[in-house]
Amino acid sequence: AQRVTQPEKLLSVFKGAPVELKCNYSYSGSPELFWYVQYSRQRLQLLLRHISRESIKGFTADLNKGETSFHLKKPFAQEEDSAMYYCALSGDDKIIFGKGTRLHILP
Amino acid sequence: ETGVTQTPRHLVMGMTNKKSLKCEQHLGHNAMYWYKQSAKKPLELMFVYSLEERVENNSVPSRFSPECPNSSHLFLHLHTLQPEDSALYLCASSQYRPDTQYFGPGTRLTVL
Repeated sequence: AQRVTQPEKLLSVFKGAPVELKCNYSYSGSPELFWYVQYSRQRLQLLLRHISRESIKGFTADLNKGETSFHLKKPFAQEEDSAMYYCALSGDDKIIFGKGTRLHILP
Repeated sequence: ETGVTQTPRHLVMGMTNKKSLKCEQHLGHNAMYWYKQSAKKPLELMFVYSLEERVENNSVPSRFSPECPNSSHLFLHLHTLQPEDSALYLCASSQYRPDTQYFGPGTRLTVL
C-alpha cells in the first residue's frame, strides 16, 4: 500500500542551525516525491519536487530509494522558514500526503 | 484573477442548511481536487476529477456531493452537515493526474 510517513509533528530548530524534516514512503513502483509548504495565512504551495533536482529557498531533498526516504534539508535555518511542511507521493494516478511537520524556528 | 480561487472564504452554517463551495481554476488544468484540512487530520483527499469525470472518492459521507460542470469549475455541495465537518476545505488543480498540485486559499467552514 502507498504510504507517506512524517514522523515528527513538530520540529523546533534554532535560527542558523541545520534543518532536516524527515519523510519516509512506502511504494512498490517508481514514485514521484514532493515537498509542499504552508506559511501562516498563505495557501499551500509546492516547495520542490525530486525530479527537478533544484534548491528552493535553500532547501534540498534527495530521493533515497534504498532507504525509501525523501528528507528535506537546509543547512542554516531562517525565521521565515517557520511553516507547515507536507511530504507527498504520486504514483499509479494517485497522490498521497503525509500528516505534515510544523517547523518552528527559534530566534 | 489567476491561479485557483475559492468562494466563499468563510462560511458558517447550521446542520440543516444546504450550501455550496465553489472553486475555479484559471490555469488550463485537467484535474481538480477537494481536500479537507483540520487539526485532527491535516490533509485528507476527498474527491478527484479528471477531465470532468470523478475518478476518486475517498469514502466521503454522502452529505458531501461534488460537481464538476467543466474543467475550470468544481463545486462541493453540502447538506445536513455535522459539527465535526468544520474544517478548511481546499481545492486544488493539476495539469494531469497526479501532478504538481496548485491550491486555492480554502474555505473555512464552521458547522453549528
